[in-house]
Amino acid sequence: DAMVIQNPRYQVTQFGKPVTLSCSQTLNHNVMYWYQQKSSQAPKLLFHYYDKDFNNEADTPDNFQSRRPNTSFCFLDIRSPGLGDAAMYLCATSRGGNRNTEAFFGQGTRLTVV
Amino acid sequence: DAKTTQPTSMDCAEGRAANLPCNHSTISGNEYVYWYRQIHSQGPQYIIHGLKNNETNEMASLIITEDRKSSTLILPHATLRDTAVYYCIVRAGGGYSTLTFGKGTMLLVSP
Repeated sequence: DAMVIQNPRYQVTQFGKPVTLSCSQTLNHNVMYWYQQKSSQAPKLLFHYYDKDFNNEADTPDNFQSRRPNTSFCFLDIRSPGLGDAAMYLCATSRGGNRNTEAFFGQGTRLTVV
Repeated sequence: DAKTTQPTSMDCAEGRAANLPCNHSTISGNEYVYWYRQIHSQGPQYIIHGLKNNETNEMASLIITEDRKSSTLILPHATLRDTAVYYCIVRAGGGYSTLTFGKGTMLLVSP
């Protein structure tokens, strides 16, 4: 059974039109991450939540926002998508706490900006 | 987190062992070595991790040198479905920490 679920798998949005990507998890993990992966590049961390605490990476553009209304769900909002924001967006979770545990990734949402 | 160095690409014949090296010469005492792989158009998948002892699970073995400055991921009998990008990541222990991906190794398993 899928444990980290991203919807939709493919999203097409217009240049400048706000778009929201969603992620849900059935693992009850404390930590949820959003990564951006452009073609032929490694995943790049945008931000993460530890419970309700939001942690933004220093070089994440202001155009990217996130919300985590509860443990199970996390959203990535792109306020004004540009052509350069076309990428695969990956959500991941991990247990957090005092244990060094693996992260579980969703299958990603591939965003196309037209 | 310490940086890692991996070969850009490797080839392996189906059924043979695939040995993927990783250098992490600046690793510190509380940092773990993690391996993930990413099959094309899918999310990364956890494979294995270790601190200083060698580790084995149903997917792979992880051999860490005594000085911990390098490690090798071993897929004992590679199949075509093991074709993927393999990422070696050094991650702080003692609490949660984020994963920083390097460029990884593209492993191509051929018939």
